[in-house]
Amino acid sequence: NAGVIQTPRHKVTGKGQEATLWCEPISGHSAVFWYRQTIVQGLEFLTYFRNQAPIDDSGMPKERFSAQMPNQSHSTLKIQSTQPQDSAVYLCASSPGQTNSDYTFGSGTRLLVI
Amino acid sequence: GDSVTQTEGLVTLTKGLPVMLNCTYQTTYSPFLFWYVQHLNEAPKLLLKSSTDNKRTEHQGFYATLHKSSSSFHLQKSSVQLSDSALYFCALSDRGSALGRLHFGAGTQLIVIP
Repeated sequence: NAGVIQTPRHKVTGKGQEATLWCEPISGHSAVFWYRQTIVQGLEFLTYFRNQAPIDDSGMPKERFSAQMPNQSHSTLKIQSTQPQDSAVYLCASSPGQTNSDYTFGSGTRLLVI
Repeated sequence: GDSVTQTEGLVTLTKGLPVMLNCTYQTTYSPFLFWYVQHLNEAPKLLLKSSTDNKRTEHQGFYATLHKSSSSFHLQKSSVQLSDSALYFCALSDRGSALGRLHFGAGTQLIVIP
């Protein structure tokens, strides 16, 4: 079991460029969550999918951020026109899909916008 | 709305001493609480979970008891080790035991010194 795989581990992007972050959930897990971690805000919920369908995107900034789950083996988080305040560690977690107690986090993608 | 409060941002202790990290919460649902531990540059990992009032739950030497009367779920250990140095997050499910987002506290950095 390789766990939740996130790529890239580190990404540096220039202000105004696009960034796409990838998450591969644990095989057989039907729910995928995205969180953002910063020193100031801590861990903030962004969005989640269940059986590839978007369930709750209440934490997603309405502009520039989008997430997709085109198949059960990966999800993407896309940030358009990146800004310095988007710099954070973006964490993906997966769950078998029945209860909250089964979250497994990936190691995250550290995004730096310069 | 749902929220979690961790009052200590940083706790520094000498090896072998006991520790208690505070966690209080607010929710309109039946509470389901978690403690996650995150070592440097690693993924957050589930340490403890509970939804049962006044029942102690233990794992890896750490323990916590959910007290609904005081809305608390403090994390304790009787004798900290150097390897316990990490960031500790308390989290609350916003849907009880059902699948959904987690609300995280700001986190407590525990540093254990020789």
